[in-house]
Amino acid sequence: AQSVTQLDSQVPVFEEAPVELRCNYSSSVSVYLFWYVQYPNQGLQLLLKYLSGSTLVESINGFEAEFNKSQTSFHLRKPSVHISDTAEYFCAVSPTGGFKTIFGAGTRLFVKA
Amino acid sequence: DAEITQSPRHKITETGRQVTLACHQTWNHNNMFWYRQDLGHGLRLIHYSYGVQDTNKGEVSDGYSVSRSNTEDLPLTLESAASSQTSVYFCAYLNMRRRTVIQYFGAGTRLSVL
Repeated sequence: AQSVTQLDSQVPVFEEAPVELRCNYSSSVSVYLFWYVQYPNQGLQLLLKYLSGSTLVESINGFEAEFNKSQTSFHLRKPSVHISDTAEYFCAVSPTGGFKTIFGAGTRLFVKA
Repeated sequence: DAEITQSPRHKITETGRQVTLACHQTWNHNNMFWYRQDLGHGLRLIHYSYGVQDTNKGEVSDGYSVSRSNTEDLPLTLESAASSQTSVYFCAYLNMRRRTVIQYFGAGTRLSVL
């Protein structure tokens, strides 16, 4: 079985500051890793994913996440946040070869002016 | 990517009533899921389906049922609504055509059980 722990339920940060949203997972099998973002009153949408290859993955809007197998982590980072990044972020894992996805409890990112 | 629509977007009902939430996707994806989202719990899987006539229970399936009579639709039924089922419900399908196991979500249904 898999589980996902997001270490912070809320992260307030000022605009243009860096941010890190932490995610740890546990699994007895190899997994794919994801970050999804949810803007107010919307469904979740994929932000970025790690399937294989380079452990550093990037999104089109400046977020990046690094897969660390030894620490079983997949932290999300952005060097300079914008007001529009205010949203809830979910870390998720899916076993390779499986169809189900396990989601973390979410981290609410507040970007303040 | 396929479009996935949920209806209604908002629903208020009374305890004990039967409620059905609709989910429709347009590209005949086999794998579909229902989640509920509650503060502090993230998304929890209610039911899922890997194809027509195939339905499976998730981690919080008590009080819910689904049916899959065609590929496009996976309606979620609350047999006798309870206040504990007040939540936001999301339907999703899994895109396997690109072999990337990405889930695509509907906009959600906010259900209040009074």
